[in-house]
Formats: sequence, C-alpha cells, structure tokens
Amino acid sequence: GNSVTQMEGPVTLSEEAFLTINCTYTATGYPSLFWYVQYPGEGLQLLLKATKADDKGSNKGFEATYRKETTSFHLEKGSVQVSDSAVYFCALISNTGNQFYFGTGTSLTVIP
Amino acid sequence: DTAVSQTPKYLVTQMGNDKSIKCEQNLGHDTMYWYKQDSKKFLKIMFSYNNKELIINETVPNRFSPKSPDKAHLNLHINSLELGDSAVYFCASSQDPLAGTWETQYFGPGTRLLVL
Repeated sequence: GNSVTQMEGPVTLSEEAFLTINCTYTATGYPSLFWYVQYPGEGLQLLLKATKADDKGSNKGFEATYRKETTSFHLEKGSVQVSDSAVYFCALISNTGNQFYFGTGTSLTVIP
Repeated sequence: DTAVSQTPKYLVTQMGNDKSIKCEQNLGHDTMYWYKQDSKKFLKIMFSYNNKELIINETVPNRFSPKSPDKAHLNLHINSLELGDSAVYFCASSQDPLAGTWETQYFGPGTRLLVL
C-alpha cells in the first residue's frame, strides 16, 4: 500500500541554520509528492510539489527533490527564519489520483 | 476572496449533543474532503466527495456523516458527540483527481471542536 514516513519532531533551530526534514514514501507506480505547511492557528497550505522523478520543487527558499531510487522527498532550506516556525507535512497522491496520504507532520521552531 | 471556508471556527459543546460543521469552496472544484487533526497534529482523512458521491470513507464511526447539497458544499454532521471527538477538523477541495491532473488540495482554516 501507499504510505508516507517523515522524521519526528519537534525540531528546534537557530535563525539562519540549515534545515532538513526527511520524508520517505512507499507507493506503487509514480505518485506525485507534496510538502504542505501549517502555520500556528491556520489550515494547511501547499509549499511545493514534484510530479515526476528528479523533479525539484521550490518555494520561499525551500526545496525538495523527488528521488525515486531512494523513494525520498526531503525538504531543505539553507537559512531558516523565525517566520518559518510551523508544522510541515509530507504527502503523496497515488498514481491513480484518487488517494492522498499525509505524513505525521514535523513541528519546526526557529529561535532568534 | 476566501477559497475554502468553514463555519464555525470554534465549537464548544457537551457530550451527547449533535452538531454540524459547514464547508464551502468557491474554486469550482469537483472533490471535497474532511480531515481530522488530533492534538499531536496527526492528520487523518475522513471522507472524500466527488461530484456529490462518496469515493473515500475511512473507518470512522457512523456517528459522522458527510452531507453534500451541491459540489460547492460538504458539511460534516456529528451525532452523539464524545470526548474523543475533540480535535481540529479541516475541510479541503481539489479538482477531480480522476481527471488525470494531480491537483493540489486547498484547505480551509479549520474548526476547533471541544467536547466537554
């Protein structure tokens, strides 16, 4: 079956530190992969996505590369800011397009 | 311009009551969803409606019933509320996933339900 596994939090970093949040997946075929972000008190919003192998999604300084060989979609940012404090969810949509799977979420806190 | 809206934003109620949460999307999407997020931020899909037909029904208690009067609305009705129902409930929508385009889901702001 399909599933998404992401690193457990919480993660606490100092401002300008490098961020990596690991995400691996299990899926049949070729799913599309997403990172969603949930700021405090808000709903989820799309951060970036990649629809095929070797694609790199990027937005707001975040990026993630769809690695089929390692079934991974790790989220990275070179220099985090306090405003990046949020919960980050890795997700996939199956190749049939009718099922979404979310990871358990990773809480990030950035301190000045 | 609110894409996906939910009402109410907060809902505090007693055990045993029946309550409804409303969701509306103005994006013209064909598919709508309900998710439950617990205190540990774990997100679980509950229902999915495509063109007013239920296409996903995860193993949730039958006290929960989605109702879709039209494709822009998907309301969640909960009977006989229990303490464990306390959570944040998110509505979301996307274009028809079966149309061959892997469209993004757009989430509402959430409804924070507290059962006392």
